[in-house]
Amino acid sequence: GAGVSQSPRYKVAKRGQDVALRCDPISGHVSLFWYQQALGQGPEFLTYFQNEAQLDKSGLPSDRFFAERPEGSVSTLKIQRTQQEDSAVYLCASSLAGGKETQYFGPGTRLLVL
Amino acid sequence: DQQVKQNSPSLSVQEGRISILNCDYTNSMFDYFLWYKKYPAEGPTFLISISSIKDKNEDGRFTVFLNKSAKHLSLHIVPSQPGDSAVYFCAASRTNDYKLSFGAGTTVTVRA
Repeated sequence: GAGVSQSPRYKVAKRGQDVALRCDPISGHVSLFWYQQALGQGPEFLTYFQNEAQLDKSGLPSDRFFAERPEGSVSTLKIQRTQQEDSAVYLCASSLAGGKETQYFGPGTRLLVL
Repeated sequence: DQQVKQNSPSLSVQEGRISILNCDYTNSMFDYFLWYKKYPAEGPTFLISISSIKDKNEDGRFTVFLNKSAKHLSLHIVPSQPGDSAVYFCAASRTNDYKLSFGAGTTVTVRA
């Protein structure tokens, strides 16, 4: 079946622009995660949804970052007034349930802020 | 602070030989450990996992060993194949938690 998809795959933004990154999880997956991966580093947790409820947003680096999943399926990560330090790969993952279920990752969106 | 550490950024191994990847962690609350494999321009793909109640888990050519007292785990790939060339991430999660903490990754190159 289809895996996790993300769009766009690449995004170049000028500093100060707002961007929106989309994630389509595997159909039927309850849990959805966003991670940020800086160059040469491992993914770092940003936020977690169970259905439409955002249960943990402790990893969001600032109030410029906002995520939503209004209908419990597709999720959008929005970054307002982008800064150069926001340049990274943003990975979305989904799992069938919560807990220790395997997380399946999408290909990521590479964001470059100039 | 980095709670999961992969101190070897790269590893080169000859095809057919064993690849050993190491991972250390600092948080004693971690009770579930995973290895992910990542090819360029793709997302990480789950490879193998181990619960803290075990010290070994094997799946085909891949075996993960856990030493809780040393807060250390390792991934063995035997025999190594050219398709194993990728970045390998060690990850961990805590009891009753869902988010994963990742190491920085080890790039494995399998030479023909």
